Amino acid sequence: TQLLEQSPQFLSIQEGENLTVYCNSSSVFSSLQWYRQEPGEGPVLLVTVVTGGEVKKLKRLTFQFGDARKDSSLHITAAQPGDTGLYLCAGEPNTGNQFYFGTGTSLTVIP
Amino acid sequence: GAVVSQHPSWVICKSGTSVKIECRSLDFQATTMFWYRQFPKQSLMLMATSNEGSKATYEQGVEKDKFLINHASLTLSTLTVTSAHPEDSSFYICSARDRLAGNTGELFFGEGSRLTVL
Repeated sequence: TQLLEQSPQFLSIQEGENLTVYCNSSSVFSSLQWYRQEPGEGPVLLVTVVTGGEVKKLKRLTFQFGDARKDSSLHITAAQPGDTGLYLCAGEPNTGNQFYFGTGTSLTVIP
Repeated sequence: GAVVSQHPSWVICKSGTSVKIECRSLDFQATTMFWYRQFPKQSLMLMATSNEGSKATYEQGVEKDKFLINHASLTLSTLTVTSAHPEDSSFYICSARDRLAGNTGELFFGEGSRLTVL
């Protein structure tokens, strides 16, 4: 079961462009996390957002948690080829202790 | 940082055999571990939540008799794929959270196990 839907599923952009990835759910989450994964490796945590409406910045990455704690977004400014990878949102819904990943967004940044 | 070790990294087996994958938290205790399955270019699909000392909670559509999970200690969970078939070929990955970190604590992931069933 995947409660978290991400869009877009695939994204290919030129170096220097900006992009936004969305993570949506009908469930409420106590927190949401964003991960980046390289092929054949485990996901690497980028950020955890906890408070509804929270905005966190990590260099060129900006993460936002929706006011209702059902959705989140990741914005990348001036994308670089090193940003290429699979981006995943994830979290535990308030209804249980399972930890679910979003459907994923595969980003390719072309030099 | 915390380390989760998963073994084996790669395994090739014949159809009909069983394969066991281990997931160990090396420097922390994990009350709960999660097992995921991932197909190429897709996200991680939660298979089951493994709780130390109790039965695992399986997600809908995951056969508990085929994917046996045992969480006998606070540092070890195992996933056994029984009577493996080629369609079971996938990347299996476990994760664990330090029991002292609470529900918002970081999840630590194993390196993953690539299973190929011939």
